[in-house]
Amino acid sequence: KAGVTQTPRYLIKTRGQQVTLSCSPISGHRSVSWYQQTPGQGLQFLFEYFSETQRNKGNFPGRFSGRQFSNSRSEMNVSTLELGDSALYLCASSSVGGGNNEQFFGPGTRLTVL
Amino acid sequence: QQQVKQSPQSLIVQKGGISIINCAYENTAFDYFPWYQQFPGKGPALLIAIRPDVSEKKEGRFTISFNKSAKQFSLHIMDSQPGDSATYFCAAVGSGDKLTFGTGTRLAVRP
Repeated sequence: KAGVTQTPRYLIKTRGQQVTLSCSPISGHRSVSWYQQTPGQGLQFLFEYFSETQRNKGNFPGRFSGRQFSNSRSEMNVSTLELGDSALYLCASSSVGGGNNEQFFGPGTRLTVL
Repeated sequence: QQQVKQSPQSLIVQKGGISIINCAYENTAFDYFPWYQQFPGKGPALLIAIRPDVSEKKEGRFTISFNKSAKQFSLHIMDSQPGDSATYFCAAVGSGDKLTFGTGTRLAVRP
């Protein structure tokens, strides 16, 4: 079974631009969660989508948004990029969702904001 | 607000030794405590997890010890191997159902 895939793997943007990241979950998984990983803040939860509905949200500004499609693929968008948005963005999928069910992480998208 | 505190930040262990990573939490609503392992260039992967109704869980060389009254839990890696060199994250889940991660421990196992 193929794992979680994320595209692109690397991205360089400038301040003020917007970016869209994509995540394809493991086949059959209906939940996709997004995390931001930085050296200073570690791994922080952004949001979770289950069956196209946002089920949970972390403490991030409204510039961070996401959506999930009927095939469970998910996209995350960051508008008006700031230098502090430079991070590794990870998505994770699980069959039924929720943090207390095993989540399978993708390799991440490395975003650099200049 | 850091709800899960993890220590040490980095750890160097000789091959065959025991690696110990500690975590402490504040929120008594947490009821699931997983540990994740992350290799460079990869996403984290679930290593082992425990619920607060047991004090210890062992899977191969990996053991979680859980102290509910102290609100602490730890990961022990017995007979540490160079292939165990990675970053380890403890985490906790409670009401709200989202993973709250510790800050990570970079483990290096010397041959």
